[in-house]
Amino acid sequence: KNEVEQSPQNLTAQEGEFITINCSYSVGISALHWLQQHPGGGIVSLFMLSSGKKKHGRLIATINIQEKHSSLHITASHPRDSAVYICALNTGTASKLTFGTGTRLQVTL
Amino acid sequence: NAGVMQNPRHLVRRRGQEARLRCSPMKGHSHVYWYRQLPEEGLKFMVYLQKENIIDESGMPKERFSAEFPKEGPSILRIQQVVRGDSAAYFCASSPKNLNTEAFFGQGTRLTVV
Repeated sequence: KNEVEQSPQNLTAQEGEFITINCSYSVGISALHWLQQHPGGGIVSLFMLSSGKKKHGRLIATINIQEKHSSLHITASHPRDSAVYICALNTGTASKLTFGTGTRLQVTL
Repeated sequence: NAGVMQNPRHLVRRRGQEARLRCSPMKGHSHVYWYRQLPEEGLKFMVYLQKENIIDESGMPKERFSAEFPKEGPSILRIQQVVRGDSAAYFCASSPKNLNTEAFFGQGTRLTVV
């Protein structure tokens, strides 16, 4: 079993829809990161969470440490949100991140 | 303050050649991480370096791959005698401390071995 699992793997939404991407993990963590990767592009860090909830613009990230679960929400989705969203764990070794396989989001007009 | 700079963005090498990938961390960052993304796969950790030291290389293949982060200059990921299976996107990330702070990623180097 992978240490971190994301769902769904693929998601298609219409512009304006509310989107939720989920991340479940099975190990203890010191922080969880949400990352965004556009096709052929670099990786952008969206959030780093160790507890609670963070909001930036139309993006909201939450984490429940007891349930080992995090969600990334996008409100009023737009075609420019189309990208792969990746959940990554810092397990406290102060070095490497462990990545989920990503959720490929396509937002259509 | 420029972000993490990787070059080249795209690199084509013939089998058996050497590939050198460069990463300049953000100003003030002394921690550098290299990750590899194989086609249609997720990102995998390769190596973690601080200035002049390799801290964790548990994700590096045992042969042909090496990394350094000298006192002056960028971090270098070096792949000797490349094979087709080395074709991938290689990403560098930097942080001011360890990864309990936010990590900043570069645009990646896309290596194609022909």
